[in-house]
Amino acid sequence: EAQVTQNPRYLITVTGKKLTVTCSQNMNHEYMSWYRQDPGLGLRQIYYSMNVEVTDKGDVPEGYKVSRKEKRNFPLILESPSPNQTSLYFCASGSTSTFEQYFGPGTRLTVT
Amino acid sequence: LAKTTQPISMDSYEGQEVNITCSHNNIATNDYITWYQQFPSQGPRFIIQGYKTKVTNEVASLFIPADRKSSTLSLPRVSLSDTAVYYCLVGDNPGNNRKLIWGLGTSLAVNP
Repeated sequence: EAQVTQNPRYLITVTGKKLTVTCSQNMNHEYMSWYRQDPGLGLRQIYYSMNVEVTDKGDVPEGYKVSRKEKRNFPLILESPSPNQTSLYFCASGSTSTFEQYFGPGTRLTVT
Repeated sequence: LAKTTQPISMDSYEGQEVNITCSHNNIATNDYITWYQQFPSQGPRFIIQGYKTKVTNEVASLFIPADRKSSTLSLPRVSLSDTAVYYCLVGDNPGNNRKLIWGLGTSLAVNP
């Protein structure tokens, strides 16, 4: 089944404790992206990648890192999480011939 | 990046046709228009994409006038399950640059 998976789905952590949210897709898509969604602010793009080893900043990259060492994986790293990074995070993937993106189920992160 | 403007919310009834209009006055020559649907706590789902005139698929139609400064998503005979948030996005060549601005979308409520 074609899908985008994210892990973990739920995470509660403390300020400053490094964490990684994994994202994997099985559709051989070149494009992958991370978003965060907050009430009243909508969906905002954090980072995106057009292919392996090619990443670029989205709208709100501060406090996040990404890497794209393999085509299928695009982990989101929070080196020192802070409470303002409490949010619902989505990973997405797509081909580079269309704007159609496939989204993962989301990761709800709480930083205390 | 072209900014988009949509109504914050709309109401409809089962069986009616719903038209959601998006304004994108600064759309560039290479920009495409894409619409997504999102249910609460789920990732957005692609609905339709177009460049000009009319595009139709099994779930919706997209109307784009000649000046391309707006677009209208048309949902025929909506049902309760069409209650969701609908996003209009504008972006250039999908193989080139995927920095996307999502906005707050239009919250559609379908009533019995």
